[in-house]
Amino acid sequence: GQQLNQSPQSMFIQEGEDVSMNCTSSSIFNTWLWYKQDPGEGPVLLIALYKAGELTSNGRLTAQFGITRKDSFLNISASIPSDVGIYFCAGRMAGGATNKLIFGTGTLLAVQP
Amino acid sequence: DGGITQSPKYLFRKEGQNVTLSCEQNLNHDAMYWYRQDPGQGLRLIYYSQIVNDFQKGDIAEGYSVSREKKESFPLTVTSAQKNPTAFYLCASSKPRQGRIYGYTFGSGTRLTVV
Repeated sequence: GQQLNQSPQSMFIQEGEDVSMNCTSSSIFNTWLWYKQDPGEGPVLLIALYKAGELTSNGRLTAQFGITRKDSFLNISASIPSDVGIYFCAGRMAGGATNKLIFGTGTLLAVQP
Repeated sequence: DGGITQSPKYLFRKEGQNVTLSCEQNLNHDAMYWYRQDPGQGLRLIYYSQIVNDFQKGDIAEGYSVSREKKESFPLTVTSAQKNPTAFYLCASSKPRQGRIYGYTFGSGTRLTVV
């Protein structure tokens, strides 16, 4: 099945640093979503994007819907230890007949206090 | 508060046994999904259901079965035909497709281990 290309695969940073990750697709999407998964738990929705070029923030997190509609970006500013987890992008293809989302492969974030 | 509940949190299965993972939601969502997650990998779709009494295979349906007799419930059975069932299983639900998709709501997962 199709999966989105998400990079980087993992990041090991110091507390206070900014983080950037991205997700790309070969297809056009009409919805991009970003999730965070804590160890041993289910993913939780962070940000939803619905329009090309849209920039949306949720506290220290900012995500953008790429203007080509084939990519999305997530930035975390001033990271803290509780940012640790796996971040997933997800998207819905334009013209899709269902709610089915395609997920990225995930970015593992580790924050050194 | 509405939510999606998976049980049990941890499950141990002997080789050759079938086991059923429970997923219940009270969000009034029409669609429900089952994903498998292996260490270091993303989410792989096993089965999904858009409406009661209907479901479709996902990308890795072999060795699994589901039922959708009630809107609130979407149990997953891991059969003995599944050769490598040890994994973390996630259930999710979502609103109908009219209008925007607000994303899936996930349960807290079931970790299945074959012993």
